[in-house]
Amino acid sequence: RKEVEQDPGPFNVPEGATVAFNCTYSNSASQSFFWYRQDCRKEPKLLMSVYSSGNEDGRFTAQLNRASQYISLLIRDSKLSDSATYLCVVKAGAQKLVFGQGTRLTINP
Amino acid sequence: EPEVTQTPSHQVTQMGQEVILRCVPISNHLYFYWYRQILGQKVEFLVSFYNNEISEKSEIFDDQFSVERPDGSNFTLKIRSTKLEDSAMYFCASSEGAGGHEQYFGPGTRLTVT
Repeated sequence: RKEVEQDPGPFNVPEGATVAFNCTYSNSASQSFFWYRQDCRKEPKLLMSVYSSGNEDGRFTAQLNRASQYISLLIRDSKLSDSATYLCVVKAGAQKLVFGQGTRLTINP
Repeated sequence: EPEVTQTPSHQVTQMGQEVILRCVPISNHLYFYWYRQILGQKVEFLVSFYNNEISEKSEIFDDQFSVERPDGSNFTLKIRSTKLEDSAMYFCASSEGAGGHEQYFGPGTRLTVT
């Protein structure tokens, strides 16, 4: 089983739509979780950390289910600028980040 | 907003040559990292560095790789004898602390080994 597994995508949705990404992780001892976004040939940029209670940042909502080892990201009212690859990231141990393969999202006008 | 910087943005080298990739982490950060991303693949951890020593490394980080903090601001990755399969994007990252602290990435160096 892969350490971090994501929806394969790609997702093509119209502007204004709501889109959800899912991710599962294999290491039940993982303590820290993040969503990053990556534009083509650019660096991963931190989108948000994911907390056990769930957290929201504007149009973005992240959820964590430790029992199912499942993380989700919801984007509401999607914008053209949201087009990117979304990376589910889990911290293994104190420092090492383990990345999922990423899900590519394209928002269409 | 402070950011991680990396030089060069693109490095082309011949197989067997040594390369040094340079990074300037965010100034108040204490933990430094190198990751790589082969084209079309996921981002992979190479090494973490704290208090002037390696704190963790992956299987990829073998004897041909080394890291150094030569002064108070730079953090370098050296690849001693490059192979074709070392061609990738190399990202430097830094964080204030370990655990739940977030890691911030530099723009990367694209290494092409011919």
